Amino acid sequence: DAGITQSPRHKVTETGTPVTLRCHQTENHRYMYWYRQDPGHGLRLIHYSYGVKDTDKGEVSDGYSVSRSKTEDFLLTLESATSSQTSVYFCAIGDSGYEQYFGPGTRLTVT
Amino acid sequence: TQLLEQSPQFLSIQEGENLTVYCNSSSVFSSLQWYRQEPGEGPVLLVTVVTGGEVKKLKRLTFQFGDARKDSSLHITAAQPGDTGLYLCAGARPRDDKIIFGKGTRLHILP
Repeated sequence: DAGITQSPRHKVTETGTPVTLRCHQTENHRYMYWYRQDPGHGLRLIHYSYGVKDTDKGEVSDGYSVSRSKTEDFLLTLESATSSQTSVYFCAIGDSGYEQYFGPGTRLTVT
Repeated sequence: TQLLEQSPQFLSIQEGENLTVYCNSSSVFSSLQWYRQEPGEGPVLLVTVVTGGEVKKLKRLTFQFGDARKDSSLHITAAQPGDTGLYLCAGARPRDDKIIFGKGTRLHILP
């Protein structure tokens, strides 16, 4: 058990509303990641962090922002949710930069 | 764009049979990971291979990294229903260590 939790686990929201997903770890890992997983696309990296206040974009970062003010928390914000952002979101943590331990996921539906 | 192609996309076989799934690329990776994901859960790390030609065994699962570090295979001996799941490979790009995921092989073992 990698000591990683995500909240909420399920969320339904309306188009245009802001949404924040939280990832919390108890492992003190340096790296934290946000992915989305969609049929036909697999896992795609949204943003990642390599330390407190150090973040970088992934391949599908448009429409998303992140913040990491503490080692243990990594927040993903959808400023104005769109239907194309309906997905399952996974947070992952790691120390080596390549081995990753995933959270249980958040299923987000934007109506 | 550095891609990881996984094959087959879907595989359904009888319990007790052997199988091999593949993860291929035209590019070199500095390391490669295999994950298994069950429905409604996050991916779970199975193994990391780093050296060209490296072979690692995990009970009935055998992982091999190609000599040129561009491809990998996962062989399962005497498959069991508990092996059912989505198998993902992921590679670390040498130039920046960013992780690329394949789209996965969905494996179903019939009892």
